[in-house]
Amino acid sequence: EAGVAQSPRYKIIEKRQSVAFWCNPISGHATLYWYQQILGQGPKLLIQFQNNGVVDDSQLPKDRFSAERLKGVDSTLKIQPAKLEDSAVYLCASSASGGADGELFFGEGSRLTVL
Amino acid sequence: GENVEQHPSTLSVQEGDSAVIKCTYSDSASNYFPWYKQELGKRPQLIIDIRSNVGEKKDQRIAVTLNKTAKHFSLHITETQPEDSAVYFCAAGYKNSGGSNYKLTFGKGTLLTVNP
Repeated sequence: EAGVAQSPRYKIIEKRQSVAFWCNPISGHATLYWYQQILGQGPKLLIQFQNNGVVDDSQLPKDRFSAERLKGVDSTLKIQPAKLEDSAVYLCASSASGGADGELFFGEGSRLTVL
Repeated sequence: GENVEQHPSTLSVQEGDSAVIKCTYSDSASNYFPWYKQELGKRPQLIIDIRSNVGEKKDQRIAVTLNKTAKHFSLHITETQPEDSAVYFCAAGYKNSGGSNYKLTFGKGTLLTVNP
């Protein structure tokens, strides 16, 4: 089966600019996650969707980050305006059965560099 | 919220030796403990997981142990091979309200290098 697709793979922007990342989960996976992975650290959950509803966005910096999953399939994560500390890999993941069995399937990630 | 500590941050072993990575967690509500392997420039992939009703789980050369009383769990890799070289992440989690999803907190990772 096709894996989780993400784009773009790489993005370089200047601080205060905006950027958007796109994710297409594995077909049929109801749960979609966005994680931020700063170099040398583990993935940190930003937001979790169940279908098109938000389950958890407690660690999403809502003053600059937003995410949506309008039709319960694809998702976009936006940062506006970007700060230097937003430089990271943004990982999208999906899980089957509402995540009941736990396994996350990650995409390749979108690497953001903020100058 | 949950806090997961992982040690060591780097580990270098000779091929054929064993490797052990340890994690501790803070939230007693956590009942699911997966381990992910991330090769350089690639996506994290699940290699093994354990739930709180089990103390140990094995899958060929890898095993995970869980001590719920002490709130720690460990990954054991035996007969290490160069292709085991990667960053390993532990995580701890529990189901969100509604019970349909797991909320996971990851450790900072361990860079394992297996020298031929």
